[in-house]
Amino acid sequence: GDSVTQMEGPVTLSEEAFLTINCTYTATGYPSLFWYVQYPGEGLQLLLKATKADDKGSNKGFEATYRKETTSFHLEKGSVQVSDSAVYFCALSDRTGGGNKLTFGTGTQLKVEL
Amino acid sequence: NAGVTQTPKFQVLKTGQSMTLQCAQDMNHNSMYWYRQDPGMGLRLIYYSASEGTTDKGEVPNGYNVSRLNKREFSLRLESAAPSQTSVYFCASRTGTGGQSSYNSPLHFGNGTRLTVT
Repeated sequence: GDSVTQMEGPVTLSEEAFLTINCTYTATGYPSLFWYVQYPGEGLQLLLKATKADDKGSNKGFEATYRKETTSFHLEKGSVQVSDSAVYFCALSDRTGGGNKLTFGTGTQLKVEL
Repeated sequence: NAGVTQTPKFQVLKTGQSMTLQCAQDMNHNSMYWYRQDPGMGLRLIYYSASEGTTDKGEVPNGYNVSRLNKREFSLRLESAAPSQTSVYFCASRTGTGGQSSYNSPLHFGNGTRLTVT
């Protein structure tokens, strides 16, 4: 079945540091890939997505590139801010099986300190 | 624009009690979902509904029932609550009914219901 593996957190960085959160996936078909962010006390919000190999999703300074050869979709940001502190989830939506379900990773908590 | 609205926000139940979590969306989405979120386990799909009148089991359906009341509303019922059902429950929706029309579209989430079963 489909699965998503994320690096464990928490990840603690100083403001303006470079961020990488690793995500790899296993899928039976050719999935679309997503990053979601969850701020404390809230639901998940879409951060970015990519739907085919070599696509780069980007939003609010975050980027992730769909790498089919390494089955990865790592999240990066060049300079993090305190306001980026949140939990980040990698997810996939497979075209097989009706394409109706998203499979999520376990989430990576990011803490950014001054 | 309300998006996805869940009620209640918090609930405490005793073992064996029943309750229904309500969810409504105003985005005219066809597909709706119920997930639970537990520490270290990410989000796990309980049930989903690809369109009005249809429901399907997800990864962890045992102990739950759902009703797709109409296109807007999708409720989750716990008939006899157990401590293992202590969790944060999220409702979500997205456009499309499956296949090509769905897999590219993102989920829109509510703010969750925090349920404690003692």
